[in-house]
Amino acid sequence: NAGVTQTPKFQVLKTGQSMTLQCAQDMNHEYMSWYRQDPGMGLRLIHYSVGAGITDQGEVPNGYNVSRSTTEDFPLRLLSAAPSQTSVYFCASSYSGAGGNNEQFFGPGTRLTVL
Amino acid sequence: GDSVTQMEGPVTLSEEAFLTINCTYTATGYPSLFWYVQYPGEGLQLLLKATKADDKGSNKGFEATYRKETTSFHLEKGSVQVSDSAVYFCALKTGSYIPTFGRGTSLIVHP
Repeated sequence: NAGVTQTPKFQVLKTGQSMTLQCAQDMNHEYMSWYRQDPGMGLRLIHYSVGAGITDQGEVPNGYNVSRSTTEDFPLRLLSAAPSQTSVYFCASSYSGAGGNNEQFFGPGTRLTVL
Repeated sequence: GDSVTQMEGPVTLSEEAFLTINCTYTATGYPSLFWYVQYPGEGLQLLLKATKADDKGSNKGFEATYRKETTSFHLEKGSVQVSDSAVYFCALKTGSYIPTFGRGTSLIVHP
């Protein structure tokens, strides 16, 4: 299994540009989520999905869109990039399973710089 | 709501020193507790977990015990190595889909 994959690894954008961060998992996980990681801020949840066709907002959704047309893929779209969106972005997935104790599997991250 | 509080870092130790990273939590219900580790330039990966009170999770020489009475899940290792230098995240998960993470504690181990 490849686990959770993310592309690209690095990206530089100019203010106002749009782009899509790709995330895919091959573990048949129902749950997928996007986080951003900034120095001193820990992980902040952007959007999450509990299954194909179902998405919801997290803590910091503004400026980002998501969709989940398949179980495997969960792309994150930046509509009009701003310097405040400079960050490291992580995608994660997990089983739904009983008991709520299933761990998350993280991708390697996308390092985004907005000039 | 649920929350996780970790000691602030960085924690700086010499090789072979004893490590403790404190983690306390607030949660409704009976959460499962996790420690994740993030090595430089990588994503988070699960280090250990415990699903009920008094359980001890262990992996790679690290241990943590689920203490319901003190709502804590402190991470310990008897003898750290340079290769343990990383950021450590404490997390909890109740019945919801998404876990709650602490802010992370950076560990730096010097030779």
